[in-house]
Order: sequence, then C-alpha cells, then structure tokens
Amino acid sequence: EDQVTQSPEALRLQEGESSSLNCSYTVSGLRGLFWYRQDPGKGPEFLFTLYSAGEEKEKERLKATLTKKESFLHITAPKPEDSATYLCAVLWFNNDMRFGAGTRLTVKP
Amino acid sequence: DTAVSQTPKYLVTQMGNDKSIKCEQNLGHDTMYWYKQDSKKFLKIMFSYNNKELIINETVPNRFSPKSPDKAHLNLHINSLELGDSAVYFCASSQDRGNRRRSFGPGTRLLVL
Repeated sequence: EDQVTQSPEALRLQEGESSSLNCSYTVSGLRGLFWYRQDPGKGPEFLFTLYSAGEEKEKERLKATLTKKESFLHITAPKPEDSATYLCAVLWFNNDMRFGAGTRLTVKP
Repeated sequence: DTAVSQTPKYLVTQMGNDKSIKCEQNLGHDTMYWYKQDSKKFLKIMFSYNNKELIINETVPNRFSPKSPDKAHLNLHINSLELGDSAVYFCASSQDRGNRRRSFGPGTRLLVL
C-alpha cells in the first residue's frame, strides 16, 4: 500500500545540535515531495518541493534532500524558533497530496 | 493580506447539530481543498475543487457537503454532527490541480460535545 512514514515522531535537540528528519515513501511514480512546517494552532507553511532523486533545496538552516525511497530534512545548528512539527507530503497519482504524521521538533536553548 | 482565511477559528457544538465552515482565498488559485487533521496529527484530504468543479471526494460521510459558489470560496457544511467529527479542519488552495504547493488556512478547531 502506498504510504508516507516520518521518523522520529519527536526529536529534542539542544540549540546548535544538528540533526536530520526522515520521510520514507512507498508510492510508485513520485510526482513531487513536499516539506511543510506547522506551528501549534496554525496551518502548515510550505518549505520545499523536491521532484527527482538527487535534488536538494536549502533555506536558512534547513536543507531537504531526496532519494528514490526517502527524503531528509537536515537542520544545521538549530535555534529555539525552529521548534515546530515538520510534515512531509507526497503528491499522489490523482494530484492528491498524502501527508505523513509529522516529526515534532523541540529545540532547547 | 491574508492568503487563505477560514471562519470560524473555533467551533464548539452539540451532537446532532448542523454547522458550516467558510473558506476564502485571495491568491487567484484555481483549486481549493478541505483537509481534516485528527488527534494524531494526520492531515487527510476530504475534498478538492477545481474551478468550482469537484475533482476529489475521498471516503467521507455524506453528512459532509462542500459547496463552491465561486473559485475563491469553498465552504464545508456538516449535518448531524458526531463526536468523531471533532478535529481541526484546514482549507487550502493551489494554483492548479497539478504538482503545486498548497497554501493552507489557519484551521477551524471543531469540538463536538
């Protein structure tokens, strides 16, 4: 069954401690992989779109990479304001976007 | 300059009631969506409209009925509310129905008592 799985469910980092979030997918024929950030009580906010294996996108302390089976969101030297839930989503064959359950990131000062 | 707006932000109601959630986007997008985010934080598509035409209708109880009076608005009407309908409902829009990013509204937190 096509699905999107994110790990870990929760991640606690010290400020400045770099790490990576994982999104693995089993959909055949990827049409696009998206990363969103969601703050408590708010809607998801778009971060990146990746379309093909080997592609990378960067924005401030975040870098997203894509392989044929998974995507990583690398966070370099995170700050407390990076604390949020990070959602991965895959564009399905019918243009539906299927989301993972998210990784809840907490960065302690 | 809000891109996607929803009203109300919070909705507390009794079982069996009928309620509506309104959504408007000022981005000039052609496609609008309703998503449901449950207590486990999964975001699931409910409906998708492209230029006022329904194009995605997932397995959602027919108590839920979307209505798109024009391509800038997509409202969600829910009949005979049940406890399990409690969730956060997000409206979203995209430039077209293709591989475009979705812009999400702030969400409507529905609590059915």
